[in-house]
Amino acid sequence: EDQVTQSPEALRLQEGESSSLNCSYTVSGLRGLFWYRQDPGKGPEFLFTLYSAGEEKEKERLKATLTKKESFLHITAPKPEDSATYLCAVGAGDYKLSFGAGTTVTVRA
Amino acid sequence: AAGVIQSPRHLIKEKRETATLKCYPIPRHDTVYWYQQGPGQDPQFLISFYEKMQSDKGSIPDRFSAQQFSDYHSELNMSSLELGDSALYFCASTRRREPPLHFGNGTRLTVT
Repeated sequence: EDQVTQSPEALRLQEGESSSLNCSYTVSGLRGLFWYRQDPGKGPEFLFTLYSAGEEKEKERLKATLTKKESFLHITAPKPEDSATYLCAVGAGDYKLSFGAGTTVTVRA
Repeated sequence: AAGVIQSPRHLIKEKRETATLKCYPIPRHDTVYWYQQGPGQDPQFLISFYEKMQSDKGSIPDRFSAQQFSDYHSELNMSSLELGDSALYFCASTRRREPPLHFGNGTRLTVT
């Protein structure tokens, strides 16, 4: 059974204080690792897809990396608008996604 | 850019009633996925459709059924509602089952 574990559960940062979120996974036949951002009461918003170990993707202050067993989402110099829950998911089969429990990031000004 | 549209946004039902949730995928998307997200939980896969045929099935109760129509919109029908069915229900769409999945803003179902 696919398993996705995210840590930490919650992260409180000062504006400008860089940090990393972890996503470890076990899946048979990985067909992509996905990062989403979710704001309260809204649907997950797609951020990145990673397919193979060593791959990296960047978008503004976010950078996602992938190894054979885990992925990291690095937040560089975060701003209050980066506050959200960040979800990691693995794709298998017809890309039905198995999600982790998420990391809730709060950035204080 | 057009996004996934879900309706209604909020729905309040009593126990044992029925509910129908609708999902309109992004234009030219032929694959739809339904997810259920309980309070403080991660989204759980319910069911998916590709080209109007059921593609995969997850932890969907027998009281729930879904289908995809000729215009690719999908409906999730929920009967004999229970208090535990209260959750956010998300629909996601993609084209030819290829990632990434794009999610709507969900329907919040409250069962009283």
